[in-house]
Parts: sequence; structure tokens; C-alpha cells
Amino acid sequence: DIQMTQSPPSLSASVGDRVTITCRASQTISRYLNWYQQRAGKAPKLLIYAASTLQSGVPSRFSGSGSGTDFSLTISSLQPEDFATYYCQQSSSSPLTFGGGTRVEIK
Amino acid sequence: QVLLQESGPGLVKPSGTLFLSCAVSGGSISSIDWWSWVRQSPGKGLQWIGEVFHTGATNYNPSLKSRLSMSVDKSKNQFSLMVKSVTAADTAVYYCARAGSSHEGAADYWGEGTLVTVSS
Repeated sequence: DIQMTQSPPSLSASVGDRVTITCRASQTISRYLNWYQQRAGKAPKLLIYAASTLQSGVPSRFSGSGSGTDFSLTISSLQPEDFATYYCQQSSSSPLTFGGGTRVEIK
Repeated sequence: QVLLQESGPGLVKPSGTLFLSCAVSGGSISSIDWWSWVRQSPGKGLQWIGEVFHTGATNYNPSLKSRLSMSVDKSKNQFSLMVKSVTAADTAVYYCARAGSSHEGAADYWGEGTLVTVSS
């Protein structure tokens, strides 16, 4: 299985801050990397797919980059509704695997 | 807008069988997308369980494969998950999702999730 390692596991930030979350795959996955946001008690929501393609309806303050084994999700200006847990997922090969999550908390 | 809704028992006895269905509306189960199951143990991260195509083709997580079965019911536009010989470790919120063919396998639509507790 491909292991996905996210960092940091959690972070504290203020509204308006620029936030970057990283995700590393244990082997190359080309650009088959997706990012999800999960608010407490809710289902995950797709933000970014194919490493950098913004899902329809997702605000442009979210962006993704990377290829191969190293990827990142950036929120350019953190908004109150962005405080949540973020997961990366590889869809390069079965079984699909998720990172451990990054919890973004209010400072 | 595709909507997915999970249904099934919220409580299953140890060594029993967990059975969940996911009703799809706003789209056809016979599309070129794959239909997935993902679970989340209380306070934990996400685990991909597997996926099924409308032809009946499946991909399962090897860690669960020996206990899994997934199927599609085209007449009801729904798909199902069965997990045999459950233990407390199978207690989780179970989500159904669509792995969009145009989204490189990413899950673009999700159900709201249903909590399944394994307990006597």
C-alpha cells in the first residue's frame, strides 16, 4: 500500500493567515493526489483533485501543487469556515489511501 | 446534483454481518463512475474500504478483503456493502461516495454517513 504522510498533524492560525499543509507519498503517484476538508460531524468535501484542479464551487483561496511524491495544499487567507480537518488521498493505485489529517484550529 | 444516502442498522452484534445500502439520486448507478465506501472510526482518520462498478467489478482494500462484499442494484439505483464477522474494530461512521471518472478517482459526492456500532 502507498503510505501518505501529512504534516503538521495540527496547526493554530488566525483569520487572514496563509496556511500550507504538506503531504508526502511513500512512492511516486504522479499527480493522483486529492485534498478533502472535513468539518466536525460532517462528511468530507472534495477541495482539490489531480494535485491542483479546484473542485467546482470551492473558493479560489484554496490551491494545490506538487507531483511525484511531494504535494501541498495552501489556503491563501484563512476564513472562519476553514477551521476543519484536511486530508490528502492518493488515487494512483488500489487500495486508495488517506493521510492522517491536519487539524486547523483557531489561534 | 448527485445525492447519496446511506441506510442500514446502526447496531450489529460481534461476529455478525454489517449490511449497508447507498441510494443514488440525481445520477445513474450505471454511469462510468465507481461507487465507493469509506469509513472513519471514532476520533480517527479515513479508511478506504473499496469500490464497485455497475458491471459488478470491484476493488477491495486487502486489509478487509476476506470479509467484504459489494454489489450494485440497478433497478433501485443503489449499491451495497457487506462486512462479515465484525468486531468492535469495525465500529465507525460509514460513508458512501462517488469516485468521479472525470476526477481522477477523487470522491466528488458523499453521503452524510451512518454510524455503525458493533456491540452485544
